[in-house]
Amino acid sequence: NAGVMQNPRHLVRRRGQEARLRCSPMKGHSHVYWYRQLPEEGLKFMVYLQKENIIDESGMPKERFSAEFPKEGPSILRIQQVVRGDSAAYFCASSPPTRGQETQYFGPGTRLLVL
Amino acid sequence: AQSVTQPDIHITVSEGASLELRCNYSYGATPYLFWYVQSPGQGLQLLLKYFSGDTLVQGIKGFEAEFKRSQSSFNLRKPSVHWSDAAEYFCAVVGSGNTGKLIFGQGTTLQVKP
Repeated sequence: NAGVMQNPRHLVRRRGQEARLRCSPMKGHSHVYWYRQLPEEGLKFMVYLQKENIIDESGMPKERFSAEFPKEGPSILRIQQVVRGDSAAYFCASSPPTRGQETQYFGPGTRLLVL
Repeated sequence: AQSVTQPDIHITVSEGASLELRCNYSYGATPYLFWYVQSPGQGLQLLLKYFSGDTLVQGIKGFEAEFKRSQSSFNLRKPSVHWSDAAEYFCAVVGSGNTGKLIFGQGTTLQVKP
């Protein structure tokens, strides 16, 4: 049973470019969470999605960031017009379809570097 | 608002010594608590979790944690540390709102001396 998959593992972008981060949840999991880990900090919640629905985006920056989890395919975290402050590790986690109490399983992360 | 505090940013212990990593949380209701470990450049691996019941929970790799409601703490312990335990450890609590989002502490980096 494959774990949570994220790609790419490392991504380098220049300021102003777009970054697309992909997450494939574990088999049978329909809930996806995105977290951001800035250097020397803990993980901060960004967004929680179920298939075709954004449930909680209270941690998402208001501009340039968006997320989706289509009916088919991986979840995508999109960052438009990246800035140096977006450099961080972005982690995706998935959980089974039971709300609130289920354990989240994390992917290996995507390390974004903005030059 | 919920929060998690890990008072120790760095801890160094000798191999074979005992370990305790501290975690304090702020949450109004019964918390769901987790400890994760992160090796350099890797994702997070679940060590253990507390939802209810026995306040002493056993995890993988010989770790255990004790939930103490009176102290709002969920400290992680291991009786004898191995060099491979060197990593960063995160305590987390499920936030309010029934969405399952996790609120993490700042992390504790564990260094193990030979």
